[in-house]
Amino acid sequence: QKEVEQNSGPLSVPEGAIASLNCTYSDRGSQSFFWYRQYSGKSPELIMSIYSNGDKEDGRFTAQLNKASQYVSLLIRDSQPSDSATYLCAVNTGGFKTIFGAGTRLFVKA
Amino acid sequence: NAGVTQTPKFRILKIGQSMTLQCTQDMNHNYMYWYRQDPGMGLKLIYYSVGAGITDKGEVPNGYNVSRSTTEDFPLRLELAAPSQTSVYFCASILDGSSYNEQFFGPGTRLTVL
Repeated sequence: QKEVEQNSGPLSVPEGAIASLNCTYSDRGSQSFFWYRQYSGKSPELIMSIYSNGDKEDGRFTAQLNKASQYVSLLIRDSQPSDSATYLCAVNTGGFKTIFGAGTRLFVKA
Repeated sequence: NAGVTQTPKFRILKIGQSMTLQCTQDMNHNYMYWYRQDPGMGLKLIYYSVGAGITDKGEVPNGYNVSRSTTEDFPLRLELAAPSQTSVYFCASILDGSSYNEQFFGPGTRLTVL
C-alpha cells in the first residue's frame, strides 16, 4: 500500500516566524510532489510543486525534496494569520494517480 | 473559464435514498476524479476517468457509480445512501496523464446521510 504520511498537528507558530511542514512517502518510484493548501470548508489549491532533489522557492514558500530519504517539506517564511489552513502533501507515483496525505493543520497566531 | 463546478453544495439524504452529484469542467481536461474527504483525513479516490466512456475504480468505490458520456461531465451516483457516506465530495480534473500536472478541484459537495 502506497502511503503518504504527515503530522496532523496542529502546528502553531507566531506571526512572522517560519513554519515547517513535513511529509514522508513510501513509494521510491514517486515522481512528482505537491503541496496543496486547504482553508476550512474550501477545496484544496496548489501552492507548490517539486520534481527533483533540492529546494524550490516561490515567494515566501520553499519546497524541499530528498528522494533518498523519501522526504518532502514545505517552509513558510514570515508566516501570516492568512496562512492558517490545512496543508496537504500529495505524491504522484507515476501516471495520473496522486496519493494525498491527511494534512497538517497550521495556526499562525497574530 | 469556470474551471471545475459541482452541484449541489450541500445535501441531506435519508438512509436508503439515492442521488447524483454533478461535476463539470470547461478546461477540456481528459482526466477526472471523484474524492471523498472525511474529517481529519486525506482525500480518498472513489472513481476516476481517463476520457469519455472510460472509468475505473479507485480506493473506495463501494456504494458509488460513475459515468463519463462527455469530456466535460463526470457525475457520481450514490445508490442506497448509508451514514458511512457522510462526507465532503470533491471532483477534480487534470489535463492529461503526465505525472507533473496539478489537479484542479471543484468547490465540493457536503453530504450528510441521516
